[in-house]
Amino acid sequence: AIQMTQSPSSLSASVGDRVTITCRASQGIRNDLGWYQQKPGKAPSLLIYAVSSLQIGVPSRFSGSGSGTDFTLSISSLQPEDFATYYCLQDYSYPWTFGQGTTVRI
Amino acid sequence: QVHLVQSGAEVKKPGASVKVSCKTSTYTFTGNYIHWVRQAPGQGLEWMGWINPNSGGTNYAPNFQGRVTMTRDTSISTAYMELSRLTSDDTAIYYCTKVRHSGSSSLFDYWGQGTLVTVSS
Repeated sequence: AIQMTQSPSSLSASVGDRVTITCRASQGIRNDLGWYQQKPGKAPSLLIYAVSSLQIGVPSRFSGSGSGTDFTLSISSLQPEDFATYYCLQDYSYPWTFGQGTTVRI
Repeated sequence: QVHLVQSGAEVKKPGASVKVSCKTSTYTFTGNYIHWVRQAPGQGLEWMGWINPNSGGTNYAPNFQGRVTMTRDTSISTAYMELSRLTSDDTAIYYCTKVRHSGSSSLFDYWGQGTLVTVSS
């Protein structure tokens, strides 16, 4: 199975900060990578798919980049509602695998 | 608006089975695969597998092979996930999620609210 390694596992930031989360795949996954946000007690929600495509309704401060094995989720100016846990997911090969998550704290 | 509504919380004894339902609405049920993802308390997300509601075909993660069965009832647009031989490690929230394809990529665009399954003697 492809392993997805996210870093950092948690970070502290302030409103207005730029935040970057990385996800490294144990082998190449083309552009078959998405990012999901999860708030406490809620189901995950899709932010970005195919590395850099923004899901409809997701604010433009979120962006994704990368290729091959190294991928990045960026939040350009952190807002209060962005404090949450973020997961990457590879859908390149079965079994699909998530990163272990990055919690963004105030 | 697409809706995925899951069945309520369950408490099971070790060794028992649990069956979680996921009722969908406002889209063509047979047109999109349904995947299942679980999350143990305080832990990350784990992909379990999918069912093709049109054909009934399935694909299970190796971690669950032999213990999980995904089925569907197209007459009521509902998918099911049954997990057998439960242990305390299966205590988790189980989510169903609808997949959409964009080019070669797949994405989970709608999620159920989650079903808490607690395994305890």
